[in-house]
Amino acid sequence: AQSVTQLDSHVSVSEGTPVLLRCNYSSSYSPSLFWYVQHPNKGLQLLLKYTSAATLVKGINGFEAEFKKSETSFHLTKPSAHMSDAAEYFCVVSFKISSGSARQLTFGSGTQLTVLP
Amino acid sequence: NAGVMQNPRHLVRRRGQEARLRCSPMKGHSHVYWYRQLPEEGLKFMVYLQKENIIDESGMPKERFSAEFPKEGPSILRIQQVVRGDSAAYFCASSPMGANTIYFGEGSWLTVV
Repeated sequence: AQSVTQLDSHVSVSEGTPVLLRCNYSSSYSPSLFWYVQHPNKGLQLLLKYTSAATLVKGINGFEAEFKKSETSFHLTKPSAHMSDAAEYFCVVSFKISSGSARQLTFGSGTQLTVLP
Repeated sequence: NAGVMQNPRHLVRRRGQEARLRCSPMKGHSHVYWYRQLPEEGLKFMVYLQKENIIDESGMPKERFSAEFPKEGPSILRIQQVVRGDSAAYFCASSPMGANTIYFGEGSWLTVV
């Protein structure tokens, strides 16, 4: 079974300080992992993805995440927060369902990032 | 290349009415997924479809909800006899066959009054 745990439901940082959003996963198979961002009343935007290539993945808007198999983690980081980063962030694991080549996603519960001026 | 298109973006229905949400996948994508996001909650999987086939509907409520993805035209999520608890954001996503990245639409916000 696949599961995703986002360890913090809310994270608050000051503008210009580092961001760390934590994510742990459980997967029976080699997972594909993603981070999506959702701004208020907007759809989900893909930030970055890990698909068994380099363990350090760089995404858009200065975000990056490191896949650590030994720790079953895929934490999202950014060196310096910007006001526009305030949003909800979802960690997602992707796995194949039994029929054909289809893939299913399991979402974490989300982390609300607040950026203080 | 247009992204995943959902309409309507906002829909208001009275209790007991029907709601139809439409999703046009990205060009070349043959898989469609529907997710629901209740207020203050994360996204929950509802159903996964290929053209003319429901592959996985394990997240769909047993009654009043149905989904289709016809050979021609958009995927439709249909909610009959809506109740206040159906008020939520409904997200559609699509992917090509065999791909492991899923692209989301902007969502449809359903309000039941």
